[in-house]
Amino acid sequence: DTAVSQTPKYLVTQMGNDKSIKCEQNLGHDTMYWYKQDSKKFLKIMFSYNNKELIINETVPNRFSPKSPDKAHLNLHINSLELGDSAVYFCASSWLAGALGDTQYFGPGTRLTVL
Amino acid sequence: GIQVEQSPPDLILQEGANSTLRCNFSDSVNNLQWFHQNPWGQLINLFYIPSGTKQNGRLSATTVATERYSLLYISSSQTTDSGVYFCAVIRNYGQNFVFGPGTRLSVLP
Repeated sequence: DTAVSQTPKYLVTQMGNDKSIKCEQNLGHDTMYWYKQDSKKFLKIMFSYNNKELIINETVPNRFSPKSPDKAHLNLHINSLELGDSAVYFCASSWLAGALGDTQYFGPGTRLTVL
Repeated sequence: GIQVEQSPPDLILQEGANSTLRCNFSDSVNNLQWFHQNPWGQLINLFYIPSGTKQNGRLSATTVATERYSLLYISSSQTTDSGVYFCAVIRNYGQNFVFGPGTRLSVLP
């Protein structure tokens, strides 16, 4: 069984569209994250959720809205997609929030291409 | 905000060689972790090491918090060690990870 799964794996869409990426973890973890990796492989965290509550929101545009219906799921909805949103998006989970030193488990990533 | 630098940016090794990757950070941190991203994009958390030394098989890491750097040692490298190694730090609880730019390692057979 895959520990952290994301769908879709690839997403190609036009500028201005709205799209969602789904993430599910079956590890029973309390904390989930979204990361963005740009074309230069630079990784940046976007959001952290602990027990369905948003605990960290880095300076991410309002067009990005995470939703956590339960502890096992953290979905990312993106409105009015722009060219600069093209990237690989990773979901991750851990028992504890990052500063407490817990191992994070990553999903396989979703490659988003905005045309 | 805190700055994280990694060196070298690129490293090419022959299988069996040893290597040391370095991570420098600009301020004191509560958490430092090392990650490996394989050539297929999969990310794995290697170590949580805000201070001291840890070992896991052929990999070990040392963080000297007072001098604001961490080292990742890879011994007897294998082709499966290829990929990008990232270090990431958190300054205080409630803040998020700040990642370094990574070191790209290529291990040749």
